[in-house]
Amino acid sequence: QTVVTQEPSFSVSPGGTVTLTCGLSSGSVSTSYYPAWYQQTPGQAPRTLIYSTNIRSSGVPDRFSGSIVGNKAALTITGAQADDECDYYCVLYMGNGIWMFGGGTNLAVL
Amino acid sequence: EVQLVEYGGGLVQPGGSLRLSCAASEFTFSRYWMHWVRQAPGKGLVWVSRIKSDGSSRTYADSVKGRFSISRDNAKNTLYLQMNSLRVEDTAVYYCAGGVGIAPGGWGPGTLVTVSS
Repeated sequence: QTVVTQEPSFSVSPGGTVTLTCGLSSGSVSTSYYPAWYQQTPGQAPRTLIYSTNIRSSGVPDRFSGSIVGNKAALTITGAQADDECDYYCVLYMGNGIWMFGGGTNLAVL
Repeated sequence: EVQLVEYGGGLVQPGGSLRLSCAASEFTFSRYWMHWVRQAPGKGLVWVSRIKSDGSSRTYADSVKGRFSISRDNAKNTLYLQMNSLRVEDTAVYYCAGGVGIAPGGWGPGTLVTVSS
């Protein structure tokens, strides 16, 4: 069965730029997978950052952006801040009404 | 801004049943696909189920297929998840999500379901 892949962990320096990716164990991600990205701090509900590849959710600052890079969906954070340190998840539409989340990326800002 | 609030979580014995509800407001509920997503303690997000805006299509993760049933009442702006034959591994915070695009969008605070004897 195809699995959605994310980097388990990543680090970025304060003020730096980081790109997190969301891929498939088999195949390439395209806009037809309607990739979405979420941010979650411990004990809180997720917050939607990006949906349908590159549409920023209401209230999300423009330093968060979504795209397709190569064969993966990507979330780029520019000007990283201390409170960006948390978990990031992607979800893909696998067809036939089925969605699948990636395992999440724990981002450290240090 | 999308407002979602889940109700109905609690402690249930293995093999038991529970019905979750999700009250929606501040958006046109009847226009959007809605989802249930769960998160076991210390684990990642797992998609559980989705229902189309008019209720005409419902899909489930393999892990809950045949045991869980999603439904909605657009007149009451409410989403439901009927959970039967519950297992210990169903223990999780259950989130209602939707109202933004077709992916899980706005999120409720979640409701904890604990399956234990």
